[in-house]
Amino acid sequence: KNEVEQSPQNLTAQEGEFITINCSYSVGISALHWLQQHPGGGIVSLFMLSSGKKKHGRLIATINIQEKHSSLHITASHPRDSAVYICAVTPRSDRDDKIIFGKGTRLHILP
Amino acid sequence: GAGVSQTPSNKVTEKGKYVELRCDPISGHTALYWYRQSLGQGPEFLIYFQGTGAADDSGLPNDRFFAVRPEGSVSTLKIQRTERGDSAVYLCASSFPDSGSGNTIYFGEGSWLTVV
Repeated sequence: KNEVEQSPQNLTAQEGEFITINCSYSVGISALHWLQQHPGGGIVSLFMLSSGKKKHGRLIATINIQEKHSSLHITASHPRDSAVYICAVTPRSDRDDKIIFGKGTRLHILP
Repeated sequence: GAGVSQTPSNKVTEKGKYVELRCDPISGHTALYWYRQSLGQGPEFLIYFQGTGAADDSGLPNDRFFAVRPEGSVSTLKIQRTERGDSAVYLCASSFPDSGSGNTIYFGEGSWLTVV
């Protein structure tokens, strides 16, 4: 079992729909990251969370530390939101802060 | 520089050849990571540097892979006797660790390696 699991793996939705991507993890963490990767492009950090909720524009990220679960929400989705969204965690460790990645959720927003 | 810079952006090489991929992290970032991403997969950890030393190289798949960071800044990932299975995007990332609270990680655009 992977230490970071995302669902769904693939998601196709119509423009304007509310999108939710889920991430569950099995290790103790100091931070959780949501990343965005466009086709053929590099990876951009969207959020880094250690508790609660963060909002940036139409993107909202929440985390429940007790349940080891995080969600990324996109309101009023747009075709330009089409990308792979990756959840990653920084394990709580004295040794290093090596990040563990989920496999990503491929989002396709139809116009 | 303003961001993490990786060169080359694309590399096509013949099976058996030697390849070097370079990463120039954000100035002042002490942590540097190399990841490999195959099509349809999330990034797979290869090696992590803290300063000049490799703090964790457990992700390197075999002894054909080696990485250095001699001055604690630029890093080079070296692949000997390349195989077709090495074809992937090689991603570099850097961060400035803030112990106990996590840290924002910044990625380069990746080096697309194709072994033919």
